[in-house]
Amino acid sequence: EDQVTQSPEALRLQEGESSSLNCSYTVSGLRGLFWYRQDPGKGPEFLFTLYSAGEEKEKERLKATLTKKESFLHITAPKPEDSATYLCAVRASNDYKLSFGAGTTVTVRA
Amino acid sequence: NAGVMQNPRHLVRRRGQEARLRCSPMKGHSHVYWYRQLPEEGLKFMVYLQKENIIDESGMPKERFSAEFPKEGPSILRIQQVVRGDSAAYFCASSPGTGPYSNQPQHFGDGTRLSIL
Repeated sequence: EDQVTQSPEALRLQEGESSSLNCSYTVSGLRGLFWYRQDPGKGPEFLFTLYSAGEEKEKERLKATLTKKESFLHITAPKPEDSATYLCAVRASNDYKLSFGAGTTVTVRA
Repeated sequence: NAGVMQNPRHLVRRRGQEARLRCSPMKGHSHVYWYRQLPEEGLKFMVYLQKENIIDESGMPKERFSAEFPKEGPSILRIQQVVRGDSAAYFCASSPGTGPYSNQPQHFGDGTRLSIL
């Protein structure tokens, strides 16, 4: 069974204080690793897809990287609007569904 | 989350009643997925449908739950004889499908919050 573990569970940052979120995964053949952002009362909003080890994707203050066992989401110089729960999910090569981690809740204080 | 439309946003039912949750996928998407998010837990896959076909229902409870995606109209997740443990947020996602789009991400709606009294 696919497993996704995210750490830490919660992260409190000062505005401008860069940090990283971790997503460790076990999957039988990775088709893709996905990062989503979820705001309270909303559905997950797609951020990135990573397909193979060594791949990196960037969007504004966010950068996602991938190794064979884990992915990192780096937040550079965060702003209060980056406060959200960040979800990591994997999709196996022979499957359709996404298997999600429990998420990391990021709070950025001004 | 513009595009995937779910309704109602909030639904309150008494134990034993039926709940019907609706999902209209993004324009051009023919594949629909339902996920459930229990309090303090992550999103869990329930079922994957294409038009008029259930492809994978491995995450669906064996009793009281059913899903459909008819040729015309939205996908429906139906829960019969609801119990307190069914209280959760139910999310629908859609994607363009397989083949050339097999790595396309799933896009989510804003969910239906189901509360059982």
